[in-house]
Amino acid sequence: AQSVTQPDIHITVSEGASLELRCNYSYGATPYLFWYVQSPGQGLQLLLKYFSGDTLVQGIKGFEAEFKRSQSSFNLRKPSVHWSDAAEYFCAVLKTSYDKVIFGPGTSLSVIP
Amino acid sequence: GAVVSQHPSRVICKSGTSVKIECRSLDFQATTMFWYRQFPKKSLMLMATSNEGSKATYEQGVEKDKFLINHASLTLSTLTVTSAHPEDSSFYICSAREPAPHSTLPDTQYFGPGTRLTVL
Repeated sequence: AQSVTQPDIHITVSEGASLELRCNYSYGATPYLFWYVQSPGQGLQLLLKYFSGDTLVQGIKGFEAEFKRSQSSFNLRKPSVHWSDAAEYFCAVLKTSYDKVIFGPGTSLSVIP
Repeated sequence: GAVVSQHPSRVICKSGTSVKIECRSLDFQATTMFWYRQFPKKSLMLMATSNEGSKATYEQGVEKDKFLINHASLTLSTLTVTSAHPEDSSFYICSAREPAPHSTLPDTQYFGPGTRLTVL
């Protein structure tokens, strides 16, 4: 069965430090990939998505993600974290356009001033 | 990106009453919407897929008679929690699938801000 894993349940970084959140998927072919962010008590906001083409994808709020087929990974990165980035981050995959999005368990990010 | 709204954002009700939550796509038409439930510090659990003009498709284990879904138009889906009980208290999030600009691309899901339901 298709699955999405986010190995880190919780990450704490200092403001200004770089960030990388890991995401791995298990599926034979390359799925469509997404990263969403959820602030406390809020819905999910789409940060970026990968469908095809350039494996380095730029998103909103200074985030980027790199798709690595050989590692079945789609890690999210940001060079300098801001206190407002503290939130829950979800990686998600879509097998085909007509399938349901499958979410990873999420990674909670805390930012130390 | 596309905007999805939910109303109300927060609702408190007595046990045994019914609660209706609305989900609207504000700047696009969505033939498909989704309803999720999220428990504290957990990921989203898909409850059902709402299709405009047809019956919703429920995930295994979700009571269709308890969680009534109606997709009345291309911009509105409603979730009614019937005879709510304290165990139904949760954060409910809807999403709408925005059609891709080309048929070779997948649609993208955009999420509403969520509704916090508390059943006393």
